[in-house]
Amino acid sequence: DTGVSQNPRHKITKRGQNVTFRCDPISEHNRLYWYRQTLGQGPEFLTYFQNEAQLEKSRLLSDRFSAERPKGSFSTLEIQRTEQGDSAMYLCASSLVTLAGYNEQFFGPGTRLTVL
Amino acid sequence: GQSLEQPSEVTAVEGAIVQINCTYQTSGFYGLSWYQQHDGGAPTFLSYNGLDGLEETGRFSSFLSRSDSYGYLLLQELQMKDSASYFCAVRFPSGGYQKVTFGTGTKLQVIP
Repeated sequence: DTGVSQNPRHKITKRGQNVTFRCDPISEHNRLYWYRQTLGQGPEFLTYFQNEAQLEKSRLLSDRFSAERPKGSFSTLEIQRTEQGDSAMYLCASSLVTLAGYNEQFFGPGTRLTVL
Repeated sequence: GQSLEQPSEVTAVEGAIVQINCTYQTSGFYGLSWYQQHDGGAPTFLSYNGLDGLEETGRFSSFLSRSDSYGYLLLQELQMKDSASYFCAVRFPSGGYQKVTFGTGTKLQVIP
C-alpha cells in the first residue's frame, strides 16, 4: 500500500497524559499536513511541513501541541497534558508541490483520540 | 481570514442530479477544491478549479466563478454510494506559501 498511513488508528487516554501520533506520507511527497476534525465539521488546519521545515502553525495549536518531521519523511504529532477538548480525529495528509503547480492532498485514515 | 459556506444537508433521489453550492471569502485566492468523505473514512479528493468554468470528471463536475466567490459540485446519476459528506476547500496564499481551509461540509443523503 503506497498511500498515507497513520498510527495508531485509535487512542484512548486519560486526561493529563501525553500522546503521540505518527504519519507516514506518500514517499515522494514533499508537503505534509496535520488537521483536526470533530463530528460534523470539516478538517481544521493545525500545521504543515515542506520537507523537514515546519512552515506554519495554526492558532488552534496550543503550546501543548508539537509536531516534527525530522528527516522530511514521517511526522509525529504530540499532545501533552491532554484535555477532554482534544478528543477528535487527527488527520494527516501529504501532497507534492512543485513549481509547476499545486497537487491534491492525499489523506490518511486518521487517528481517533478519545480523552477520558 | 477565510470563511466558506455550504448547506449542511442535502437529500436527493438515486439517479437524479444534485448541486452542492459553496461561497467563500478569502484574502487572496488560488482555487477551490472538493473532497468527499464517507462516515468513518478519510477525505478523498474529487476536483479542483483554479480558473472560472466547469471541470468534469465522470459523473462529477465542479464549477467556479471567481468574480462571484462561488463554486458548486454537481453530481449526476446519483448512486447510493454517493451518500457522504462533501467539503469545499479554498486554497489561498499564506506566509509566502499556499494553504487550504475547508468548509464545514454538506452531508448528502441519497434515497432510493
